[in-house]
Amino acid sequence: DTAVSQTPKYLVTQMGNDKSIKCEQNLGHDTMYWYKQDSKKFLKIMFSYNNKELIINETVPNRFSPKSPDKAHLNLHINSLELGDSAVYFCASSQKKAGGPPYEQYFGPGTRLTVT
Amino acid sequence: QKEVEQNSGPLSVPEGAIASLNCTYSDRGSQSFFWYRQYSGKSPELIMSIYSNGDKEDGRFTAQLNKASQYVSLLIRDSQPSDSATYLCAGVPGTGGSYIPTFGRGTSLIVHP
Repeated sequence: DTAVSQTPKYLVTQMGNDKSIKCEQNLGHDTMYWYKQDSKKFLKIMFSYNNKELIINETVPNRFSPKSPDKAHLNLHINSLELGDSAVYFCASSQKKAGGPPYEQYFGPGTRLTVT
Repeated sequence: QKEVEQNSGPLSVPEGAIASLNCTYSDRGSQSFFWYRQYSGKSPELIMSIYSNGDKEDGRFTAQLNKASQYVSLLIRDSQPSDSATYLCAGVPGTGGSYIPTFGRGTSLIVHP
């Protein structure tokens, strides 16, 4: 069984379009994340979300918005796509300790977004 | 700004040797550290987690944490060509309440036969 899954695996679209990437985890974790990995392989946090709190990296443009229909899903919606949005986007999940830091994260397979 | 620093490499070692990967972090309050392996075109895969000072061993892998020096390392014994990948170090800040892991830029490891 896949622990963290993402769809689609590849996404090619034109500038100005709106697109969504879906993420699902079956680990029972309470916290989910979205990361962006650029061409230099740097893994940059975009959002952290559990059922109580959304934490946004302030450097992320407001064209990006996370949407969580339930605890097991965290989708990423992107408006008005730009060339610089081309990257690999990873979803991850972890379980947060009470009053403390999370345990290790488990990553989805990634979505390679290409904006033309 | 809380940072995790890694030498980008590449680190090249012969098969059977010990590969030593290093990571430093700026947040003295960080409590949890993780090492991930990422093959080209794949997602990061957890190798080790370490929370206390000292060494933690798992098979051919040993993680070392020195909180006084703000230093984390990963040793890979008997390196194999299949260990060739990028290794990412991550630390969880101890303050601020968000507990979002911060990743280093990764070290590329090449194990040559």
